[in-house]
Amino acid sequence: GAVVSQHPSRVICKSGTSVKIECRSLDFQATTMFWYRQFPKKSLMLMATSNEGSKATYEQGVEKDKFLINHASLTLSTLTVTSAHPEDSSFYICSARTGMLYEQYFGPGTRLTVT
Amino acid sequence: DAKTTQPPSMDCAEGRAANLPCNHSTISGNEYVYWYRQIHSQGPQYIIHGLKNNETNEMASLIITEDRKSSTLILPHATLRDTAVYYCIVLTYNQGGKLIFGQGTELSVKP
Repeated sequence: GAVVSQHPSRVICKSGTSVKIECRSLDFQATTMFWYRQFPKKSLMLMATSNEGSKATYEQGVEKDKFLINHASLTLSTLTVTSAHPEDSSFYICSARTGMLYEQYFGPGTRLTVT
Repeated sequence: DAKTTQPPSMDCAEGRAANLPCNHSTISGNEYVYWYRQIHSQGPQYIIHGLKNNETNEMASLIITEDRKSSTLILPHATLRDTAVYYCIVLTYNQGGKLIFGQGTELSVKP
């Protein structure tokens, strides 16, 4: 199957700093990418949908100014957590979809810890 | 989007079939049933999907009832590596195809 990578896999940052997480589709072009967050023992929560070259669409309750999403190319989307706080500590997972709607592949996730 | 209901946890003996049920009684005619699984601290992995007919691939079989209000994912010969959280998701393509995850079933395969 297709491969989606995320970088970094783990990151620790100080409160008040910003962190960027990259999501790449390695062997296919992703027309749409999605960002999720997951707290311990909880399910994945969809944060936003991004289409290449256009603004991301955020789910209700997700602060667009805090979670900046850029989908500059068909193989790369980035999530920047701005002015991170300890409550932003979570597992962030991206997924990428090809033109075929049922082909959606997930990255391995990024563990963010804000101290 | 139609809501799904799954048991929170199940056990299965290694080598036996694991049958994971999912209730989606409010599913609409154009909505698909998808199954993903998530092994601890990894990203979800696609397993199988279907609309009306039963489906089978190298990983699993999907049985959808005739009224489409429920389905069962079957792992024919469960191994320890199948221990994971299994998510049943109903997907509507005309709403952007967003995968909305419920609570899933935590399957423990025991030796």
